[in-house]
Parts: sequence; C-alpha cells; structure tokens
Amino acid sequence: DQQVKQNSPSLSVQEGRISILNCDYTNSMFDYFLWYKKYPAEGPTFLISISSIKDKNEDGRFTVFLNKSAKHLSLHIVPSQPGDSAVYFCAASAGRDSGYALNFGKGTSLLVTP
Amino acid sequence: GAVVSQHPSRVICKSGTSVKIECRSLDFQATTMFWYRQFPKQSLMLMATSNEGSKATYEQGVEKDKFLINHASLTLSTLTVTSAHPEDSSFYICSARDRGEQYFGPGTRLTVT
Repeated sequence: DQQVKQNSPSLSVQEGRISILNCDYTNSMFDYFLWYKKYPAEGPTFLISISSIKDKNEDGRFTVFLNKSAKHLSLHIVPSQPGDSAVYFCAASAGRDSGYALNFGKGTSLLVTP
Repeated sequence: GAVVSQHPSRVICKSGTSVKIECRSLDFQATTMFWYRQFPKQSLMLMATSNEGSKATYEQGVEKDKFLINHASLTLSTLTVTSAHPEDSSFYICSARDRGEQYFGPGTRLTVT
C-alpha cells in the first residue's frame, strides 16, 4: 500500500515560471519529509527536507511547504530552469521508530522548457 | 554532502548465478545503510535495513535467503542476489545515513538473462 503518493506523473513548466510539485501521505506517524531529484540510471540526490514541527523550509530557489492537517506537502521551484528537468521524488520517514527508513512516492517528471 | 558509491554500476548475469553489489560510504561512517529497488516508472521500494555488526532487517515480502545482506564494516554493505532470475532484473540503490540525512549511491542496474 502506497503511503506516499505523487498523483501527477509529469509536469511541464516554462523557464522562469514556478514549478509546484505535490505530495500526499497517509501515515500520521511520518514526521520528516524530503524531496529528492533523480536522473535516469542514477541515485537520488537530496534537495530539501522539512520536519513536522515546521510548515515551511526554504533553500534558495526551493521551498517546501507542509500542511499536516491535510497530510500534504509541496515543493516550489522558482524560478524554474531547464537544468531542473528531472524526476522528483517525495519521501517520508517515521524517524527512529521505523529505523529512519524512507517511504517514496512514485515520482513526478518535471520538464522545464526554454 | 556525503558520498556513497556502488559497484558495479551495471551487471549482466545468467539465470541461476549469484551477483554481489557493494555499497560504500566514502567519507563517513554509516552504522545504518538501506537497500532499495526501483522498477521502471515506479517508486523506490525499501528492501532491507542493513546494520553494522548485526543482521539486516527485511521488509515484508523480501526473501532474506535470496537477497543476502552483509554489513561488514562501518563503510561497507553488500547485497548478494542469489540464484538470480529474470524477474530480479531491476535498479538497486543503496543509501547511508550521515548526521540524520540519507545519501544515495548511484545505483546498480542488474539484468538477468
């Protein structure tokens, strides 16, 4: 059963505009959320994370928003650049109780067009 | 960030043979490493948690006798796919924890013919 869901398999955005990638989760025990960027045939690269005690975390062009009541988080990339084109995975962890293992969504393929 | 390597990056083997994949943390020590598997256009599925000096913890549905995990040192975990079958063909990725973050290796593409 998929505990982390990314319902949009793909997203296309023009360069300079905002990219918004969404993620929903079902397990209320999750307390740490991460976004990873992945290219084909490579391992995921960590982008940004957020703890459940926060509702927003910002790092340069990347901002993650967390809405615990809705069990929803989103990644905003602004301005989007062609180099941002990749698959983005949302992941969640229940921390020490789960051995810090990550539960991944199926990913959203982002294409940023010039 | 911390660096995790995997070897080999690609391997092709015949049905019935065994394949060993190595995962190394290059610039930090990792008491815990994780092994994931990814099918095309699917999410990364956790297979097992590898703990240095103790037995691995396998996720439900993962055969521990088929996917042997050894965490021999604080910088090395190995995954051995025993008696490989074509359905074991997949992309295997390891990760290691360093100061609360997980860092992923580049992955190993296994093809069983």
